[in-house]
Amino acid sequence: GDSVTQTEGPVTVSESESLIINCTYSATSIAYPNLFWYVRYPGEGLQLLLKVITAGQKGSSRGFEATYNKETTSFHLQKASVQESDSAVYYCALGDLNTGYQNFYFGKGTSLTVIP
Amino acid sequence: NAGVIQTPRHKVTGKGQEATLWCEPISGHSAVFWYRQTIVQGLEFLTYFRNQAPIDDSGMPKERFSAQMPNQSHSTLKIQSTQPQDSAVYLCASSLTGGAAEQFFGPGTRLTVL
Repeated sequence: GDSVTQTEGPVTVSESESLIINCTYSATSIAYPNLFWYVRYPGEGLQLLLKVITAGQKGSSRGFEATYNKETTSFHLQKASVQESDSAVYYCALGDLNTGYQNFYFGKGTSLTVIP
Repeated sequence: NAGVIQTPRHKVTGKGQEATLWCEPISGHSAVFWYRQTIVQGLEFLTYFRNQAPIDDSGMPKERFSAQMPNQSHSTLKIQSTQPQDSAVYLCASSLTGGAAEQFFGPGTRLTVL
C-alpha cells in the first residue's frame, strides 16, 4: 500500500549540530508521488516546511533541505546547523498530484528538541 | 487572515454521546480536508470537500462518522454514539483550490471520550 515511515522520536540535538530525520515512502498506487515536510512548532498549527513534486529535485526552506530520491524511495530532512527555534514536531507526508492530494499520507511525526 | 478556525479546541463527551466539530476555512479557499491524529496511528486522512461538494471520504469510518459542508464558510464533522477509541485530535485544513495547492491547517480539536 501507500505509506510513510520516518525516524521515531524523540530526537535531541545540541544547538549548531547537524540533523537528519529519515523518511521513506511506499507509493504503490500513486502514479505521481509528491513529497512534503510539515512542521508543528509549540503552540502553533501544522504548517508546510517544504515540498518537492519531481523526483531528483531538492526542496529547501529555513535552512532545511530534502531531496526526493525515487531509487531509494526516500525524502530525508537535513539541516547543517540547528537552532533552538527549530524545536518542533516534523512530519513527512506523501500526496498524489494526480488525484490532488485527496488522500494524503503522513508519517507519525518526529519530535525534535534542540538544546542550547 | 485568521487562518483556519476550529471550534471547540477541546471537547469531552461521555460514551454514547454525540460530538460535533466545526471548521471555518480560510476565506476564499475552496477545498477543506479533515484528518484525525492519534499517537498510535499518527495523522490519518478522513475526508475532503471541494466547492462544498464531498470528493473523497475514503478515510471516514463507515459507521457513526459524517461530515458536511453546508456553505463555503464552514464544515462540520459529526461523530454519533462516541466511543473511547474516537478520542483523538481532529484537524481541519483548507487550500485555495485543492489539487496541488498547499494545505493550511487549523489548531485542531482535541476530543476526549470518557
